[in-house]
Amino acid sequence: EAQVTQNPRYLITVTGKKLTVTCSQNMNHEYMSWYRQDPGLGLRQIYYSMNVEVTDKGDVPEGYKVSRKEKRNFPLILESPSPNQTSLYFCASSSGLAGGSSYNEQFFGPGTRLTVL
Amino acid sequence: GENVEQHPSTLSVQEGDSAVIKCTYSDSASNYFPWYKQELGKRPQLIIDIRSNVGEKKDQRIAVTLNKTAKHFSLHITETQPEDSAVYFCAATPSGGSYIPTFGRGTSLIVHP
Repeated sequence: EAQVTQNPRYLITVTGKKLTVTCSQNMNHEYMSWYRQDPGLGLRQIYYSMNVEVTDKGDVPEGYKVSRKEKRNFPLILESPSPNQTSLYFCASSSGLAGGSSYNEQFFGPGTRLTVL
Repeated sequence: GENVEQHPSTLSVQEGDSAVIKCTYSDSASNYFPWYKQELGKRPQLIIDIRSNVGEKKDQRIAVTLNKTAKHFSLHITETQPEDSAVYFCAATPSGGSYIPTFGRGTSLIVHP
């Protein structure tokens, strides 16, 4: 089954304790991205990646890191989480330039609800 | 960068009524405009999309319209049903660069039985 998976689904942690949220897709997609969803603010992009070893900042990258060592995985790293990073996080993938088109559906993971105390 | 404005933030209708959600975008280079539906506790999922060379697209009870000159696009849902209750996001995708969409802030649609 074609899917995007994220782990963990729920996480409660404390300020300053490094954490990683994993994301994996099995659709051989070129593009992957991370969003955070907050009430009234919609989906805001954190980081995106257009290919292995190619990553770039989105709209709200402060406090986050990513890596893309393999095509299928795109982990989100919070080196020193703070309470303002409490949010619902979504990973997404898309085929990118497949077929020479930018008309690409984003496939979202199930979400990770993070609480930083 | 691209800026997408979405209105209204909340929309309450009676079952059977129509619902319209409107979005504007700023970057004339954007050429792909998807709409996503997010049910409570679920992930966003694509429900319909429109490309810049098309003015309107329909799929059963939902339709999207695009006015490139005015840089706005809309989602129309007819004969609304309680299962249409969800948060709807519009997005604009650039024709070059990252090809990553910029999302609006979402509209919470409530359909009362």
